[in-house]
Amino acid sequence: EDQVTQSPEALRLQEGESSSLNCSYTVSGLRGLFWYRQDPGKGPEFLFTLYSAGEEKEKERLKATLTKKESFLHITAPKPEDSATYLCAVQENPGRGTSYGKLTFGQGTILTVHP
Amino acid sequence: NAGVMQNPRHLVRRRGQEARLRCSPMKGHSHVYWYRQLPEEGLKFMVYLQKENIIDESGMPKERFSAEFPKEGPSILRIQQVVRGDSAAYFCASSPRTADGYTFGSGTRLTVV
Repeated sequence: EDQVTQSPEALRLQEGESSSLNCSYTVSGLRGLFWYRQDPGKGPEFLFTLYSAGEEKEKERLKATLTKKESFLHITAPKPEDSATYLCAVQENPGRGTSYGKLTFGQGTILTVHP
Repeated sequence: NAGVMQNPRHLVRRRGQEARLRCSPMKGHSHVYWYRQLPEEGLKFMVYLQKENIIDESGMPKERFSAEFPKEGPSILRIQQVVRGDSAAYFCASSPRTADGYTFGSGTRLTVV
């Protein structure tokens, strides 16, 4: 069964203090790894999709990277508005009983950025 | 360009009643996905539908839960005879093709009393 583990569970940063969030995964055949941001009381907001080891994507202060076993979400010089829960999810290549439609999510990392 | 619309935002049901959750996908999106987020747990896949077809229901509880996405109108997640353990946030997502960066709605928060 697919497993996705995110660490740390919670991270408190000062504004401007760069850091990284980790997402470790176990999947038989990875099609894609997704990063989402979720604010309290709202649905997840799509950030990135990564498909192959070595791939990197950037958006403003966020940069996502992928290896064969884990992904990192790097946050450079964060601001208080970056405070949210960051979710990682894996999509497996479809096989018996699975489809492209299923994402397996981790528990998330709660990021708090203090001014 | 409205996003994924879910209603109601909040729903309170007594044990044994039925809950109907509605999801209108983004314009041009024909793939719909339902996920459940239980308190203190992560998002869990429930079901994947295209118009008039259930593609993957591997995450749906075997009893009391059903989903549909008719030719016309929104997708419906139906929970019969609700129990306290059904209290959760239910999120719908949609995509124009199979699973490339779905867009999620804001969710329906179901409380069973």
